[in-house]
Amino acid sequence: QQQVKQSPQSLIVQKGGISIINCAYENTAFDYFPWYQQFPGKGPALLIAIRPDVSEKKEGRFTISFNKSAKQFSLHIMDSQPGDSATYFCAASRDQGGKLIFGQGTELSVKP
Amino acid sequence: DGGITQSPKYLFRKEGQNVTLSCEQNLNHDAMYWYRQDPGQGLRLIYYSQIVNDFQKGDIAEGYSVSREKKESFPLTVTSAQKNPTAFYLCASSIWPNGGEQFFGPGTRLTVL
Repeated sequence: QQQVKQSPQSLIVQKGGISIINCAYENTAFDYFPWYQQFPGKGPALLIAIRPDVSEKKEGRFTISFNKSAKQFSLHIMDSQPGDSATYFCAASRDQGGKLIFGQGTELSVKP
Repeated sequence: DGGITQSPKYLFRKEGQNVTLSCEQNLNHDAMYWYRQDPGQGLRLIYYSQIVNDFQKGDIAEGYSVSREKKESFPLTVTSAQKNPTAFYLCASSIWPNGGEQFFGPGTRLTVL
C-alpha cells in the first residue's frame, strides 16, 4: 500500500518530442504528488507537484496529469530538449508533505 | 546563500568501520531526512526528524543511526552492522507540518573497500 510504481525505467526521445512518464499508487490517503528531476552526481530538485483536487497542472513545458479514480499520475515533457536528459522520480505523501514515498526512477535521454 | 550542504562528497571506508556523514541546512526548516539511493531502486528513506531531539526510523533504518541536537544539523552514522553500505546518500529538509517541497543536498557517495 505504500509503494509508488513508476514506468518506464528508461526512455529515449528525439529532440522536440513528447516524453511521458507514468506512476501508480495504492494508498488513497496520499494527497501530495511531486516530480523530482536529478542530474548525474547531484541531488534531486522539485520540478512540479500536484494535489488531488485538480486533474492537471502545467508549468512551462512540464505537465502533470492526475487520475484520482485510477490512482495514476503522469509527467509530460513537451518539446523535449537534450538539457532535459536526467533521471525523473515521482513521489507521493500523506498530510500534504513530509515523508515521501518515491518511485523507482526513469532515466530520460533526449537525442539531438 | 541558503541551502543544504553535505560533506564529504566522496567517502571511502574499510569494512568494519563506522563512518559519519554530515548534513547542514540554513533554510530554517524543522524537518530533515536521510535517503539512500541505489541504481534502479529510487530513493529509500533511512531516518527522518521533525523537531530537535526527536527522530523516527524510515523504511531501511537497520545499520544506521542519527542524532538531531541542533535544528541545522542531522548527521548520519553508517555502522559496521550495515551489510551493504556502498551507495549514494542524500539529505533533505522541509518545513513541518504540511512539508510540501523537500530540498535536497548534493549527496555523499560512500564506497566500502
